[in-house]
Amino acid sequence: DADVTQTPRNRITKTGKRIMLECSQTKGHDRMYWYRQDPGLGLRLIYYSFDVKDINKGEISDGYSVSRQAQAKFSLSLESAIPNQTALYFCATSDLADGAITQYFGPGTRLLVL
Amino acid sequence: AQSVTQLGSHVSVSEGALVLLRCNYSSSVPPYLFWYVQYPNQGLQLLLKYTTGATLVKGINGFEAEFKKSETSFHLTKPSAHMSDAAEYFCAVSDQGSGTYKYIFGTGTRLKVLA
Repeated sequence: DADVTQTPRNRITKTGKRIMLECSQTKGHDRMYWYRQDPGLGLRLIYYSFDVKDINKGEISDGYSVSRQAQAKFSLSLESAIPNQTALYFCATSDLADGAITQYFGPGTRLLVL
Repeated sequence: AQSVTQLGSHVSVSEGALVLLRCNYSSSVPPYLFWYVQYPNQGLQLLLKYTTGATLVKGINGFEAEFKKSETSFHLTKPSAHMSDAAEYFCAVSDQGSGTYKYIFGTGTRLKVLA
């Protein structure tokens, strides 16, 4: 079983729609992250969370919001999707007990905004 | 601020040839450095990492990387490429200086292995 899961794996939506991408982990890690991947740009950090009550913006948080419902769950929302949010989205986790050094990635959600 | 530069967005090698993927970093503190691999339609998998200690780091699938402080480099190598190595490779530096341990990724290098 995968340690970090993301749902849905693929999503097509229309401009202006609200959508939520979900991430769950069974690793028991404290920290969770959301990234987006665009061709030629690598991965860029959207939001990160150190625990349920500690959420921080990354370098490209505009147009996104997050919710850390529990230690194991971290959701990313697009309140009003726009075409330039078409991308591959990854969730990742890291363990503070390990010095939070290594991040473990989910399989990704491919989002297309029409 | 930290940054990562990967030279060459696309690299092609023949099967059996040396693989060399270049990564240079900028960091105001001793860096933690990582290489991840992304196979088609999959997430990122850790290949290897450098934190402290030995500067030559061995990873999975026969890959290794050498941390060279004087050159601010962390190039990834493999002596003999296999067809299964075709993937995209990302170098990353961790922002441990701020205590956040956020990753800053390079833009990636897509490796093609020719038969």
